Amino acid sequence: GQQLNQSPQSMFIQEGEDVSMNCTSSSIFNTWLWYKQDPGEGPVLLIALYKAGELTSNGRLTAQFGITRKDSFLNISASIPSDVGIYFCAGPGTTSGTYKYIFGTGTRLKVLA
Amino acid sequence: EAQVTQNPRYLITVTGKKLTVTCSQNMNHEYMSWYRQDPGLGLRQIYYSMNVEVTDKGDVPEGYKVSRKEKRNFPLILESPSPNQTSLYFCASSLRGGHLGELFFGEGSRLTVL
Repeated sequence: GQQLNQSPQSMFIQEGEDVSMNCTSSSIFNTWLWYKQDPGEGPVLLIALYKAGELTSNGRLTAQFGITRKDSFLNISASIPSDVGIYFCAGPGTTSGTYKYIFGTGTRLKVLA
Repeated sequence: EAQVTQNPRYLITVTGKKLTVTCSQNMNHEYMSWYRQDPGLGLRQIYYSMNVEVTDKGDVPEGYKVSRKEKRNFPLILESPSPNQTSLYFCASSLRGGHLGELFFGEGSRLTVL
């Protein structure tokens, strides 16, 4: 089945640094979704991407839909302590006849004050 | 406020005692889905529904039932809970199942089965 691979798995950064994480797949996706999840809470949608090459920002967050449709990245600029959490990518599966979302394995971000 | 609401948020129960976790969305979404999240296993889909009276199994449906009698509600039923169903459960919804777009999650229901 379709899979989404995220990297890095985890990262420690200093407050104020920029962060970059990416999501790749061996198959194409038509939509890329980026979420943040705090421990024990529901994932919160950060950015949705719908077109290859699209670059979208949401405050300090910027995400891009890869030209090949097989990857996407998320950047966080000038990180702050509340950016701590797990970030994961997701996308509606494109296998014919299935109606499910595929989720990445997540990137755990820890910000050192 | 647009939201997906789950209840209860926390529940401790015993093996075999039937329970229902409710899920309601106020966005007129057609697609609704249930997931469980376990350490190291990520989000796994239990059941999904494309619209009223249309439900289908996800990746881990064993031990669960669902119903979709109304568009806004999609309850998850555990007829005879077992300890391996201890998990964090999420309900989610999306506008149209055929063009799966943005997926919105509820806050989660942490279930412990003793």
